[in-house]
Amino acid sequence: GAGVSQSPSNKVTEKGKDVELRCDPISGHTALYWYRQRLGQGLEFLIYFQGNSAPDKSGLPSDRFSAERTGESVSTLTIQRTQQEDSAVYLCASSISSTSRGGEQFFGPGTRLTVL
Amino acid sequence: QKEVEQNSGPLSVPEGAIASLNCTYSDRVSQSFFWYRQYSGKSPELIMSIYSNGDKEDGRFTAQLNKASQYVSLLIRDSQPSDSATYLCAGASGGSYIPTFGRGTSLIVHP
Repeated sequence: GAGVSQSPSNKVTEKGKDVELRCDPISGHTALYWYRQRLGQGLEFLIYFQGNSAPDKSGLPSDRFSAERTGESVSTLTIQRTQQEDSAVYLCASSISSTSRGGEQFFGPGTRLTVL
Repeated sequence: QKEVEQNSGPLSVPEGAIASLNCTYSDRVSQSFFWYRQYSGKSPELIMSIYSNGDKEDGRFTAQLNKASQYVSLLIRDSQPSDSATYLCAGASGGSYIPTFGRGTSLIVHP
């Protein structure tokens, strides 16, 4: 079966421009997560979606970051007015809906964002 | 105290040896635990999950959980150069869908 897909795989943009990253989770996975991973660093949680519930946005670093998800389908992460410190790999993961098994996540290949 | 802590390494072991990766955690993430492997330039891949005290074995991998001492470990038997990667430990509390990841331990298996 298909895994988590993300697009684009690479994005180079100029400082100040907006970017939109896309994630398509595994079918049937109601939970969806976005993470940021800077070079040589650990995973930084950004936002969590669970079905039609209000998302947990506690990890978003600033109001330039936003994300949407319609139901249990595709999600988009938008970064407005990009800054050089936004350069990182943005990872999307999905899992089944469970407080214990929510940690059993399946990651997409990531989008490498470079802000010049 | 960080919620999930790992030694960044690198941990270097010879081929065929047992690699032992350790992770300590705080009370806040004390219910379920997960080990992920991340090859350089790739995304994390789930290896093992463990929910109760004791050992859980899957092929060459064994996860060990000790809730009294608040640590979880991953043993890799008969280590191969292809096991060289960063290993991420993650923990979640009973009421949270959001696991907390450690910074990862770099493992190098040399021939």
